[in-house]
Amino acid sequence: NAGVTQTPKFQVLKTGQSMTLQCAQDMNHNSMYWYRQDPGMGLRLIYYSASEGTTDKGEVPNGYNVSRLNKREFSLRLESAAPSQTSVYFCASSDLSRAEQFFGPGTRLTVL
Amino acid sequence: KNEVEQSPQNLTAQEGEFITINCSYSVGISALHWLQQHPGGGIVSLFMLSSGKKKHGRLIATINIQEKHSSLHITASHPRDSAVYICAPQGSGTYKYIFGTGTRLKVLA
Repeated sequence: NAGVTQTPKFQVLKTGQSMTLQCAQDMNHNSMYWYRQDPGMGLRLIYYSASEGTTDKGEVPNGYNVSRLNKREFSLRLESAAPSQTSVYFCASSDLSRAEQFFGPGTRLTVL
Repeated sequence: KNEVEQSPQNLTAQEGEFITINCSYSVGISALHWLQQHPGGGIVSLFMLSSGKKKHGRLIATINIQEKHSSLHITASHPRDSAVYICAPQGSGTYKYIFGTGTRLKVLA
């Protein structure tokens, strides 16, 4: 099993460009999460999906949209990237909303 | 005041030393997680605690719910233990983790 996979691993964007970060899990988990990690700060929740077809905003949702395509996949879209969105993005999944989360390898995004 | 405080923020140890990382939190929780993040960036879950103590190999995690405090101990530390260790309490009745900023550990050979 691959666990949680994320693509791409690295990305450089110009201000105003759009892109989608992809996340997939093969553990049959119901819940999936998107976080961002910035220097000197703890991970912050961007969006959460309890199950296929449902999404909820986290702590820092502005500038992002998400799509829970099916049980396996949860994508994060930046419609108009800004330098403040330069960060490392992690996707995670868990089998119950209150259980241990498993993290993907991360995507390092730079917005110029 | 942050909801989660970890100490120390940085720690350098010699191989073989006993290491303690502390985590204090101010919210009610259903569980507390300890995570490890290696220099390559991947995050791995080490422990999920709701009471008492757990041990995996050289790692021991304890929690005192009344005092809102948890510790992570590493016995006989090794250079491969060099990583950032993150405390993440999980709020009562919620899926949400509250992440600490992490303790950066470097173990020298």
